[in-house]
Amino acid sequence: SQKIEQNSEALNIQEGKTATLTCNYTNYSPAYLQWYRQDPGRGPVFLLLIRENEKEKRKERLKVTFDTTLKQSLFHITASQPADSATYLCATHTGTASKLTFGTGTRLQVTL
Amino acid sequence: NAGVMQNPRHLVRRRGQEARLRCSPMKGHSHVYWYRQLPEEGLKFMVYLQKENIIDESGMPKERFSAEFPKEGPSILRIQQVVRGDSAAYFCASSPASGVDEQYFGPGTRLTVT
Repeated sequence: SQKIEQNSEALNIQEGKTATLTCNYTNYSPAYLQWYRQDPGRGPVFLLLIRENEKEKRKERLKVTFDTTLKQSLFHITASQPADSATYLCATHTGTASKLTFGTGTRLQVTL
Repeated sequence: NAGVMQNPRHLVRRRGQEARLRCSPMKGHSHVYWYRQLPEEGLKFMVYLQKENIIDESGMPKERFSAEFPKEGPSILRIQQVVRGDSAAYFCASSPASGVDEQYFGPGTRLTVT
């Protein structure tokens, strides 16, 4: 069955450093992959979408890569700030159905 | 330009009662999705609806759960005879088109069954 995994351990980094979060998937080939941010008690907020034929996508301080050979996406936040502290979710879509399959998320904590 | 709206934000029900969760999609969006998030678990897809049609309900429990998106008014997720295991955050999302676009999520309804 389709499986999508994110590191369940929290990631703690210092302000100004680059945070890198990992998303791995198995047993399927998603047409595209999305990253969302979720703050406690709130709904997810869309950040970036990358398609299977794209290697990299950037938006301001955010960068996403998509390696279909490794079946992995990396999500980078450069020059991280305490306001970036949140849980980051990756989600995949197979292209034949509209439902998203989410990972469990990785909590990022940026400290001063 | 209001986002996705959900109400109530918090809902407490006793075992055996019915829970009704409402979702109004973003203006111009005709596709609605419901997801459930259990504590310490990821978001799980439940159902995908368009106006007056259920497109994909593969994530819905076979019993006690139903969803609708009428021609007029919000989408409703209905849970009959709630049990403690139904306690979770229920999120609604909408999109302007099928499949390709990102989904816009509401703030969620937190259901507590006592």
